[in-house]
Amino acid sequence: QKEVEQNSGPLSVPEGAIASLNCTYSDRGSQSFFWYRQYSGKSPELIMSIYSNGDKEDGRFTAQLNKASQYVSLLIRDSQPSDSATYLCAPSSGGYNKLIFGAGTRLAVHP
Amino acid sequence: DTGVSQDPRHKITKRGQNVTFRCDPISEHNRLYWYRQTLGQGPEFLTYFQNEAQLEKSRLLSDRFSAERPKGSFSTLEIQRTEQGDSAMYLCASSLVGSGVPDTQYFGPGTRLTVL
Repeated sequence: QKEVEQNSGPLSVPEGAIASLNCTYSDRGSQSFFWYRQYSGKSPELIMSIYSNGDKEDGRFTAQLNKASQYVSLLIRDSQPSDSATYLCAPSSGGYNKLIFGAGTRLAVHP
Repeated sequence: DTGVSQDPRHKITKRGQNVTFRCDPISEHNRLYWYRQTLGQGPEFLTYFQNEAQLEKSRLLSDRFSAERPKGSFSTLEIQRTEQGDSAMYLCASSLVGSGVPDTQYFGPGTRLTVL
C-alpha cells in the first residue's frame, strides 16, 4: 500500500464547475496536510494547508480533513482553465515534518 | 520576501561526472529540505537541515549523494559519479518553525538534471 494515494486522473471538468480531488494517507501520526499545485515543468506551489478535522476555506478552495478516516480532499469552486494542473497531496511525517507526496491528480478544466 | 532560489535551473552532464546544485532558502527560514521528483511521480524526500545540522537522510540518498548547509544559510547537494537513474528534478524547500509559526514548506524552481 502506498503511503499517500491519489487518483491520477485526468479529472476533466467544465469551466465553472466544482472539481473534487481526494487523497488517503497511511501515517496516522501525520498532523499537517498540504495541497500543492504543479504546472507542467514547474515546481510545486502551495495552495492550502489544514491541520484539524473539518473544512478550511480560502477563496475558491476548500480543504477537508478527516483524520479518523485518514482522508483529505480539496474542492475547487468555479473552476477556471488556469486551474488545469497536477494537484499534489502531502501529509507531513515524522518529527521534522518532511512531506510525503502522492503522485498527484491531473486536473483539466475545459472551456 | 524573495522566494527560494536554486542554481542552476538545468544541468546536462555525462554519466560518471560530478554535479553540484545550490539552494538559497527564504531569508531567516531555519529549515531546509531537498526532494527529488521524477516524471509522473510526486516529490520524494531526500534530506533535511535544521539550521546547519543535517538531521535526517532518506534511504534514497546513496553514498554518492552529499548535502551541506554551512552557516545555516544556503545549501548544496552534490552527486558524485552520476548515473542515468539520477536524472530528475531536484527541488529545495524551506520553512520557518518556531514562535507559533506553522511549519509550511515553500519550494524553489528546481534544478532539472539530465544524465547522458
